[in-house]
Amino acid sequence: DTAVSQTPKYLVTQMGNDKSIKCEQNLGHDTMYWYKQDSKKFLKIMFSYNNKELIINETVPNRFSPKSPDKAHLNLHINSLELGDSAVYFCASTGALLAGTETQYFGPGTRLLVL
Amino acid sequence: GESVGLHLPTLSVQEGDNSIINCAYSNSASDYFIWYKQESGKGPQFIIDIRSNMDKRQGQRVTVLLNKTVKHLSLQIAATQPGDSAVYFCAETGSSYKLIFGSGTRLLVRP
Repeated sequence: DTAVSQTPKYLVTQMGNDKSIKCEQNLGHDTMYWYKQDSKKFLKIMFSYNNKELIINETVPNRFSPKSPDKAHLNLHINSLELGDSAVYFCASTGALLAGTETQYFGPGTRLLVL
Repeated sequence: GESVGLHLPTLSVQEGDNSIINCAYSNSASDYFIWYKQESGKGPQFIIDIRSNMDKRQGQRVTVLLNKTVKHLSLQIAATQPGDSAVYFCAETGSSYKLIFGSGTRLLVRP
């Protein structure tokens, strides 16, 4: 059984389009994250939700909007896609609110390519 | 600001040898450190962690060493195997909601 799943795995789209990436975890965790990994493999946190409440909102363009319909799901909607949005987006979850008190589990990633 | 960095972007080792991957961190308030392994096409996977009240922790074939004096972290992999080929990240956190990841080291295992 997949603990943290993301869809789609690959996403190729034109500049200016709007797209969504979905994430689901079946671990019963309260906290979920979105990370962006650039072409140099650098991982940076974007957002975090705890029990459907936004707790981390890093400096990302407001074209990115996370949505958590319930604590098992955290979706990421991106408006007006730009070339620089091309990256791998990872969802993660943990049972803890504070980082470091429990392991974060990562999804397989969504590879976004904006043309 | 906070930063976590690695000394070597790529490390090539012979199968069976020991590997050492290094990481420097700058936030002296960080009290928890983790090593993640990321294989090609996959998400990061937890390997081992250590808290700041320890200087060494061992797992199966892996050991993490923490030197708080010089703010240095290392991951040692014993008897490196082809399956160990991956990108390795260190990450740190203090009393916050987020992990801060280093830039990663690619480990290549030569047969």
